[in-house]
Amino acid sequence: AQSVSQHNHHVILSEAASLELGCNYSYGGTVNLFWYVQYPGQHLQLLLKYFSGDPLVKGIKGFEAEFIKSKFSFNLRKPSVQWSDTAEYFCAVNARGDYKLSFGAGTTVTVRA
Amino acid sequence: GAGVSQTPSNKVTEKGKYVELRCDPISGHTALYWYRQSLGQGPEFLIYFQGTGAADDSGLPNDRFFAVRPEGSVSTLKIQRTERGDSAVYLCASSLSGTSYNEQFFGPGTRLTVL
Repeated sequence: AQSVSQHNHHVILSEAASLELGCNYSYGGTVNLFWYVQYPGQHLQLLLKYFSGDPLVKGIKGFEAEFIKSKFSFNLRKPSVQWSDTAEYFCAVNARGDYKLSFGAGTTVTVRA
Repeated sequence: GAGVSQTPSNKVTEKGKYVELRCDPISGHTALYWYRQSLGQGPEFLIYFQGTGAADDSGLPNDRFFAVRPEGSVSTLKIQRTERGDSAVYLCASSLSGTSYNEQFFGPGTRLTVL
């Protein structure tokens, strides 16, 4: 079974600061990788996903993530955050060929105006 | 179009009672999933339906939990003899089909509180 670890529980930033959220997974086989976001009062929605190919993937709202296979990592980045990026961010993986998502515990990001 | 809907949004019950949580997936999505999110944790897989059948119920914590999807659309998660430890947000998701590549679209969840 896969497991996912997110390093930061709560991150507080000022607007225009850069954001990087760590995500590591443990699984011996090939995985698909996802970042989901949950804005206050809203449901989980997909930010970006990686299946194969270019390890740097771009998602919605200016987010990107880099898959580093040797480090089992899939860190999320945004060069300049906005107040509207305040949300909870979840990293998730599934094994190639499996539908079950395994989620990390989430990172709450608070952006101060 | 309409997303995944879940009812009720909140449910408060007493220990030992029976509860039903409903999920209405996106029209045309054959795959449906239930997850449970406890406080401070990410969602954890409970059960997966492909069409009407429960293809994988390996995440159900015990036999007090049961889910159905009789017509391949709406699903109901049923919890018997609720315990305080069942308190959590129950999330439903659906996808076009049950492959690892299809995006899972999540509903708003039902917050269950067992007193």
